[in-house]
Amino acid sequence: AQSVAQPEDQVNVAEGNPLTVKCTYSVSGNPYLFWYVQYPNRGLQFLLKYITGDNLVKGSYGFEAEFNKSQTSFHLKKPSALVSDSALYFCAVRDRGSGNTGKLIFGQGTTLQVKP
Amino acid sequence: DGGITQSPKYLFRKEGQNVTLSCEQNLNHDAMYWYRQDPGQGLRLIYYSQIVNDFQKGDIAEGYSVSREKKESFPLTVTSAQKNPTAFYLCASSITGVSSYNEQFFGPGTRLTVL
Repeated sequence: AQSVAQPEDQVNVAEGNPLTVKCTYSVSGNPYLFWYVQYPNRGLQFLLKYITGDNLVKGSYGFEAEFNKSQTSFHLKKPSALVSDSALYFCAVRDRGSGNTGKLIFGQGTTLQVKP
Repeated sequence: DGGITQSPKYLFRKEGQNVTLSCEQNLNHDAMYWYRQDPGQGLRLIYYSQIVNDFQKGDIAEGYSVSREKKESFPLTVTSAQKNPTAFYLCASSITGVSSYNEQFFGPGTRLTVL
């Protein structure tokens, strides 16, 4: 079965320090991977995606993610965290069993808390 | 101003009532989706539609119904058969077909509370 796991419910980091939010996946074939951010009582905003090519993907607001096929991981990173980065982050993988429907399978989310 | 709109932002329902949540998009996307979000459980897919007049059940369709009469609109009805409807509901849309790796765009959500 295809799945996405975010092993940490919450990540705490000081402002200015680098941050990592972890994501591992289990899919058959090549994965299409996504990161989204959600601020309180808002919808999800797309940050970045990996389809193919360079393993380091750059996205919005200074975020990037590293695709590691051998470790089946797609960790979200940022070199210097801001207090405004505090939010709920979701990793997702396209459901390859759904044909071309575009269905996504989401992880349970990780709360990022950046302290001044 | 392109995007996805959901209304209302907050909705209160008495037990035994059906309620309908609105979702409209002007992105010209073929596919639309409804998710339910509960604390600590991520997003769970309720229904999705790839084209007008066609839709498919997701992982938790029981107690919900949808229609897709227009490309721009994908309303969700929460029926009285849904035993625990209090949640945050998110609508999304995307391009599908051969470009099925395209990201989904989300609306701002509707928070439904059963009184």
